[in-house]
Amino acid sequence: EDQVTQSPEALRLQEGESSSLNCSYTVSGLRGLFWYRQDPGKGPEFLFTLYSAGEEKEKERLKATLTKKESFLHITAPKPEDSATYLCAVQSNNAGNNRKLIWGLGTSLAVNP
Amino acid sequence: EAGVTQSPTHLIKTRGQQATLRCSPISGHTSVYWYQQALGLGLQFLLWYDEGEERNRGNFPPRFSGRQFPNYSSELNVNALELEDSALYLCASSYGGTGGVYGYTFGSGTRLTVV
Repeated sequence: EDQVTQSPEALRLQEGESSSLNCSYTVSGLRGLFWYRQDPGKGPEFLFTLYSAGEEKEKERLKATLTKKESFLHITAPKPEDSATYLCAVQSNNAGNNRKLIWGLGTSLAVNP
Repeated sequence: EAGVTQSPTHLIKTRGQQATLRCSPISGHTSVYWYQQALGLGLQFLLWYDEGEERNRGNFPPRFSGRQFPNYSSELNVNALELEDSALYLCASSYGGTGGVYGYTFGSGTRLTVV
């Protein structure tokens, strides 16, 4: 069964304290892995798509990396405005449902000034 | 380019009533997805529509239903509302077809409160 697990569930950082969020996945063939950011009471906002192991993408203080079993979202020198829940999702090669994303439960990040 | 729009933003209903939520996808997107997100919980997949057809359904009772119109907009209907239906309902859209790897674009959601 396709599954996505994110850790930690919650993370509290001081402003400027770099860290990483983890997304582990087991799927029947990975077509793509997605990272989203969600602010309270709002819809998730797209951040990155990763397609194959070894791929990296960057956006401001965020860098996403992908291996054959997991993805990391590295946050460098975070600021309070980076506080949000970060969601990971995967799209598998499951022929019957290859458009439906499998979601993790997210990591709630709080950055203190 | 307009994003995914959902209406209403907030909806308050009484237990037993029916609720109708609406979603307009991004222009060019033919797939629409509905999710339920209860307070503090993860995204629970409800329904996926593509080209006017229901493609997949999550583990929800039949009183959750919907449809997609010829212009690709969609509505979600929830009948016989129960208190536990109170949640943020999110709509997302993407390009259609069976190939490709397409991320979703989400709307801001409808906050449904059942009292």
